Amino acid sequence: ILNVEQSPQSLHVQEGDSTNFTCSFPSSNFYALHWYRWETAKSPEALFVMTLNGDEKKKGRISATLNTKEGYSYLYIKGSQPEDSATYLCAPPNTNAGKSTFGDGTTLTVKP
Amino acid sequence: GAVVSQHPSWVICKSGTSVKIECRSLDFQATTMFWYRQFPKQSLMLMATSNEGSKATYEQGVEKDKFLINHASLTLSTLTVTSAHPEDSSFYICSAKGLAGAPYQETQYFGPGTRLLVL
Repeated sequence: ILNVEQSPQSLHVQEGDSTNFTCSFPSSNFYALHWYRWETAKSPEALFVMTLNGDEKKKGRISATLNTKEGYSYLYIKGSQPEDSATYLCAPPNTNAGKSTFGDGTTLTVKP
Repeated sequence: GAVVSQHPSWVICKSGTSVKIECRSLDFQATTMFWYRQFPKQSLMLMATSNEGSKATYEQGVEKDKFLINHASLTLSTLTVTSAHPEDSSFYICSAKGLAGAPYQETQYFGPGTRLLVL
């Protein structure tokens, strides 16, 4: 099982601010890492699948990086908008090699 | 693509009744579905892995006779909370994973969840 930890637990930013948060994991047994966005009253939505050290993925204003040697992935949001308000979760995939253990997530609130 | 539905979204029932929750992958086939539970202010806790055509694999501490899982087809898994009690009140959410080698492989696609309240 790849246990992940996310920080900070919550984040409040003003519209237009850029922000980032962290998903940490033990680097010794890394397989892959998924980022999800979970908006209130909606289904968690897959954002990125991170697999290789140095991976950098981007979707609009949101991007993610991966450092498997030091055991962390960063999620960046550039120019935050109120619609970015959500809980962002990271987790390894559910596979025969291990179970998807979700962290507590980072809850982002973007104030207009 | 990759839409997962869950039904019902809300259920209120009396203690002792059984409640069935359905999880469907609408536009892809899912050999594997997962059932999670979320307690207030906590993260998602994996309850069981549901494989089409075989018995579900339950996580430690989850009673298989309490939470019956059936995955009868590649698009449907059901979770039945048997003889529900107030402590079973929670948010239950399912996810589905695509077939091996498919575009949806590995990534989990989540349903919208079911909120259960047992009185």
